[in-house]
Amino acid sequence: AQSVTQLGSHVSVSEGALVLLRCNYSSSVPPYLFWYVQYPNQGLQLLLKYTTGATLVKGINGFEAEFKKSETSFHLTKPSAHMSDAAEYFCAVILFGNEKLTFGTGTRLTIIP
Amino acid sequence: SQTIHQWPATLVQPVGSPLSLECTVEGTSNPNLYWYRQAAGRGLQLLFYSVGIGQISSEVPQNLSASRPQDRQFILSSKKLLLSDSGFYLCAWRPSGPAYEQYFGPGTRLTVT
Repeated sequence: AQSVTQLGSHVSVSEGALVLLRCNYSSSVPPYLFWYVQYPNQGLQLLLKYTTGATLVKGINGFEAEFKKSETSFHLTKPSAHMSDAAEYFCAVILFGNEKLTFGTGTRLTIIP
Repeated sequence: SQTIHQWPATLVQPVGSPLSLECTVEGTSNPNLYWYRQAAGRGLQLLFYSVGIGQISSEVPQNLSASRPQDRQFILSSKKLLLSDSGFYLCAWRPSGPAYEQYFGPGTRLTVT
C-alpha cells in the first residue's frame, strides 16, 4: 500500500520568492511520483513526474522536484513565485503494476503581491 | 494530440433523482479510464477505473456505478442520488502500458439538493 502526506494545507509566499511545497510518501517499494496543479473549478494538470532515473525532475511553468529516497520525500520548488502560480497543488503516488493513484490532500498556494 | 471531454460542466439535481455523467477521450485508443470524486476541502477519491470495454473495477462501495460501452467512453451513473453525492467529479485517462501519469478532464460540479 502507498500513502502521501502533504505538509501544510495552505502556503503563502511573496511574489518573486521561493516556492517550496512539501510531500512525503510511504511505500513498500520504489513508487512513481507526480505533482499536479488545480486552478479553481478546473481539472488537474500534470506538472511533473518521477518514474526512474534522474532524481531531479523539471516540469512545466518553472517547477521542479527532487526525489529523495532516504527521506521518502518529493518536494516541489520554484525559484521565483509568480502571481499565476496561485492554485492548489497535489502530490500523488502510484506503484508499478497498480492502477490506483493515491493523492495527498493538497496544498493551496497563495501569492502575495 | 489527446483530448478529454466531460459533460455536463455543472449539474444541480434533487435527492433521489438519477445521474449520468459522461466522459470521452479523443486521439488515443484503448486508454485506461478513471472516475474520481473531489469533495470540498478534501483530496481526490478514486471511484472506478476501467482497463477495457466492459471492464469496470470499483474502489468504493456506494450508490454509484460506472460503465464503458465504447473504447473511449466512460459513464458514471446513479439510480438515486444522495446529498453526500455532491462534489466535483473528474474523469481521467492514461495510455495502456507502463506510463502511469493520468490526464484529467475539466470536471463536473454536481450539487444534490
